[in-house]
Amino acid sequence: DIVMTQSPDSLAVSLGERATINCKSSQSILYSSDNKNYLAWYQQKSGQPPKLLIYWASTRESGVPDRFSGSGSGTDFTLTISSLQAEDVAVYYCQQYYSTPYTFGQGTKLEMK
Amino acid sequence: QVQLVESGGGVVQPGRSLRLSCAASGFTFSSYGMHWVRQAPGKGLEWVAVISKDGINKYYADSVKGRFTISKDNSKNTLYLQLNSLRAEDTAVYYCAKAGGGYCSNWGQGTLVTVSS
Repeated sequence: DIVMTQSPDSLAVSLGERATINCKSSQSILYSSDNKNYLAWYQQKSGQPPKLLIYWASTRESGVPDRFSGSGSGTDFTLTISSLQAEDVAVYYCQQYYSTPYTFGQGTKLEMK
Repeated sequence: QVQLVESGGGVVQPGRSLRLSCAASGFTFSSYGMHWVRQAPGKGLEWVAVISKDGINKYYADSVKGRFTISKDNSKNTLYLQLNSLRAEDTAVYYCAKAGGGYCSNWGQGTLVTVSS
């Protein structure tokens, strides 16, 4: 199974500052035949279901603010929030869908400083 | 708009069974695979199972393989998860999700399963 490891486990960022969350896979999730990284990012606010933010490692889901961006390839990925807003306080998860079982990272709790 | 509504959760004794349902609307259900993902109280997300759009191909997490069965009825726009031989560690909110290219593009609100004697 592919293990997904996020860092840090928690993060406190000031309003308007940049937040960076990392995700590392135990093996490459770049599929050579289509040159796509099979990685998604989700946001889960307290008491709500998760919401898709990013797929194919860097494609923003429709309606997601452009302050959210995804980057990386192979085994190392990053979710960046360029200017933190109050509504971004949440837990963020990465997930690989390269091979079953599709595995999630343990989550990163983002708080306001 | 995509809507997914889970039902069937509740309190069940260890070793017993339960069937969860997920009613889908707002998209062509027969054209999409579907996932189940669960979240134990206060814990992270755990992927449980996925089914192909035609219901033929099914894959499971090791923790539920042989005990849980995913299925879908395209005529009823409904996804199911049959949970057998339930254990305390299966206690969680169970979410159904519409599959994108393998990722979970839309999520329901979830249904809580509590396994307790």
